[in-house]
Amino acid sequence: AQTVTQSQPEMSVQEAETVTLSCTYDTSESDYYLFWYKQPPSRQMILVIRQEAYKQQNATENRFSVNFQKAAKSFSLKISDSQLGDAAMYFCAYRSALMGRDDKIIFGKGTRLHILP
Amino acid sequence: GAVVSQHPSWVICKSGTSVKIECRSLDFQATTMFWYRQFPKQSLMLMATSNEGSKATYEQGVEKDKFLINHASLTLSTLTVTSAHPEDSSFYICSARAGDTQYFGPGTRLTVL
Repeated sequence: AQTVTQSQPEMSVQEAETVTLSCTYDTSESDYYLFWYKQPPSRQMILVIRQEAYKQQNATENRFSVNFQKAAKSFSLKISDSQLGDAAMYFCAYRSALMGRDDKIIFGKGTRLHILP
Repeated sequence: GAVVSQHPSWVICKSGTSVKIECRSLDFQATTMFWYRQFPKQSLMLMATSNEGSKATYEQGVEKDKFLINHASLTLSTLTVTSAHPEDSSFYICSARAGDTQYFGPGTRLTVL
């Protein structure tokens, strides 16, 4: 069974600085998707970034980028120029891309990010 | 694009009554929707997968007779909490898949008195 581990329950970063959130996963599959979701105090889950396992290039979305290390099964999120609005719970997630497999997303336990003004 | 709505956003009900929560995909069709439950400061727990035109698939430990799911159209899934009790109080979130990504509704806070 696939698992997703986020080893940092909480992190803090100074506004305008850069922070990296860690995520590791375990799977025997070769084709899958990885996601980072953000859940601010409103509790609306927002997709931050996604990565397809077959793509070697790391995904980037504005100030958000990932470091995808497939062999190490690591998928960290880097937030550059942190802003107060980035304060939220961040969930790392996995989904199989294999045909006929569940569409289910497997979530990590989350990392709460605090932005210090 | 890929907007998912939920209604109501907040509901309070008496113990023993039933509550229906709606999940709609507003700008796309979703053959599969998902229902999650989230306790305070915890991750999302998948309750069931809702398939249009067929029975839902429930996760282990989720009572299918208590949490009734109906996916009557490609844009609407409903979750009915039957005979609600205070321990059912929680935050319920739905999601729908568009392409390779799941998009989430804003959630429904259920309080059972």
